[in-house]
Amino acid sequence: DVKVTQSSRYLVKRTGEKVFLECVQDMDHENMFWYRQDPGLGLRLIYFSYDVKMKEKGDIPEGYSVSREKKERFSLILESASTNQTSMYLCASSLPPTVNEQFFGPGTRLTVL
Amino acid sequence: AQKVTQAQTEISVVEKEDVTLDCVYETRDTTYYLFWYKQPPSGELVFLIRRNSFDEQNEISGRYSWNFQKSTSSFNFTITASQVVDSAVYFCALIDRDDKIIFGKGTRLHILP
Repeated sequence: DVKVTQSSRYLVKRTGEKVFLECVQDMDHENMFWYRQDPGLGLRLIYFSYDVKMKEKGDIPEGYSVSREKKERFSLILESASTNQTSMYLCASSLPPTVNEQFFGPGTRLTVL
Repeated sequence: AQKVTQAQTEISVVEKEDVTLDCVYETRDTTYYLFWYKQPPSGELVFLIRRNSFDEQNEISGRYSWNFQKSTSSFNFTITASQVVDSAVYFCALIDRDDKIIFGKGTRLHILP
């Protein structure tokens, strides 16, 4: 059974903290994605990666960075968390090209106090 | 610029009724792909269908059907004889030459027993 796992289901952090959200997939997919989901705004793409050590900005990269040191793992980093980054974060992976279906993880609900 | 509009924020129907979820898209490209994803209460988005811009044939999969009309830039999704398990948030999405997926804001569907 194919899987995308995210390190935490719920996370509470304080303003200014550095936050790491981890995503691991076991499908040997080249493409990986990070989204945030907010009520009334749908899913918005933060960053994506086509391969190890590659990264591309999505629509809302400000305040975030990513790391892809291994093919199966894609990390989202909040360098200095702020309250407006309270959200649901979803990770996904797919085979190339990008038009293939994406497989999603269960999400991490991050609250920044 | 690309855009995906799901005008219905929330819909409630009684079990066994048919329901149609609307999706209208905007793109300047002639080659593009459209998608529908389902997000059940567990949170993981699940791929339902992909359509490319050159294939206007309607698709039926069990109780699900999709109506793609380029003339009106719409890709609507119909559930026939709805069931409680169909309750979820449904997202329509678009990828064009930009190669970035754009999601609509989603339609929350409640199927009442």
